[in-house]
Amino acid sequence: DQQVKQNSPSLSVQEGRISILNCDYTNSMFDYFLWYKKYPAEGPTFLISISSIKDKNEDGRFTVFLNKSAKHLSLHIVPSQPGDSAVYFCAASLIRDMRFGAGTRLTVKP
Amino acid sequence: NAGVTQTPKFRILKIGQSMTLQCTQDMNHNYMYWYRQDPGMGLKLIYYSVGAGITDKGEVPNGYNVSRSTTEDFPLRLELAAPSQTSVYFCASSYSLDRLALANEKLFFGSGTQLSVL
Repeated sequence: DQQVKQNSPSLSVQEGRISILNCDYTNSMFDYFLWYKKYPAEGPTFLISISSIKDKNEDGRFTVFLNKSAKHLSLHIVPSQPGDSAVYFCAASLIRDMRFGAGTRLTVKP
Repeated sequence: NAGVTQTPKFRILKIGQSMTLQCTQDMNHNYMYWYRQDPGMGLKLIYYSVGAGITDKGEVPNGYNVSRSTTEDFPLRLELAAPSQTSVYFCASSYSLDRLALANEKLFFGSGTQLSVL
């Protein structure tokens, strides 16, 4: 069962515009959420995280929003840059269980 | 800084063969993990370890074995390879002071092993 879903397999945006990547989860007990970025032939690298007690966390151009009532989180990238082109995974964790979404491929066009 | 190193990067196995995927980390992390990623799917946890001598099953452990004799190394063993084990395998590590938490700290991943079983 997929407890973490990223329903958009791909997203294309213009350089300088906002990229919004979405993630939905089904288990309301998840208490920590993370985003990872993956380039081809490399392992995922940590990008940003948020605890379930918060609704927003910001780090430079990256902001993660958490809507617990909707069981939804999103990653905003502003402004988007060509180097942001990668696959983005969201993950949700609870004690000894961490679940990943299938990923969204972001393409930022110059 | 090497971080998490996985070998080999690519491997083709015949059905029934066995092999060991190697993983080593030089960050003195206590937690280590093995994930697999199938096409169009998220990463799924195979096994994890919270320290040397301690391992536990993840979401998809069948067909695999692990050991953790040192802090640095966490090899993954496939005993009788099957086509269903064709996947990309990622090793990861993290540091956590919380023995109950799997990964509230960020994970550091290796670059992966592409395994095909034919």
